[in-house]
Amino acid sequence: EVLLVESGGGLVQPGESLRLSCSASGFTFSSSTMHWVRQAPGKGLKYISGITGDGGTTHYTDSVQGRFTISRDNSKNTLYLQMSSLRVEDTAVYYCVIRHTIGYYEHWGQGSLVTVSS
Amino acid sequence: EIVMTQSPDTLSVSPGERAILSCRTSQTIYNNLAWYQQKPGQAPRLLLYGASTRATGVPARFSGSGFGTEFTLTISSLQSEDFALYHCQQYEGWPRTFGQGTKVEIK
Repeated sequence: EVLLVESGGGLVQPGESLRLSCSASGFTFSSSTMHWVRQAPGKGLKYISGITGDGGTTHYTDSVQGRFTISRDNSKNTLYLQMSSLRVEDTAVYYCVIRHTIGYYEHWGQGSLVTVSS
Repeated sequence: EIVMTQSPDTLSVSPGERAILSCRTSQTIYNNLAWYQQKPGQAPRLLLYGASTRATGVPARFSGSGFGTEFTLTISSLQSEDFALYHCQQYEGWPRTFGQGTKVEIK
């Protein structure tokens, strides 16, 4: 069974940093492109970042470029999202997802809530 | 960026009735469209991909159609567990984008 478990969310103040982790099991993690998708309260879903299976290629949406860093440790089957200079508008539930080779999101984690507030 | 527009925002339907949800894209995405179902407090769940292919375990009452810029998700006979939020997503262009969602509620 595919399992994705996010952790690391919480309440931080604007300008602070936070690192999310996503522990993966039940599939070949090192071969899988992984993405982070977030959902602000009462809003729709938004892709924010992706990384290839070997970690060699990363991608960010404009709103987080330069502030967030995606990475992975294939020896630990874990995906990370380092978030810096957090803003109130970064408040959201963050999901890690497996990107199918065709492009859709086949499996989702349960999500981790990040709240940025003073 | 490909803009996704879902309609309506909210759809009120009685159990047993049919629901038709629409998703329109700002440029052609061929059939590179997925639909997800999300229940309160839960992560989204993949329903359809390729505009019309059901994901593993998805009941046959869910069907999809469309190509290019106009897509439809049909739920043939709504069950109690189908009342939820539905999202469409394109995977033709970058960044991947989603619609704003359609909430299917009990009438």
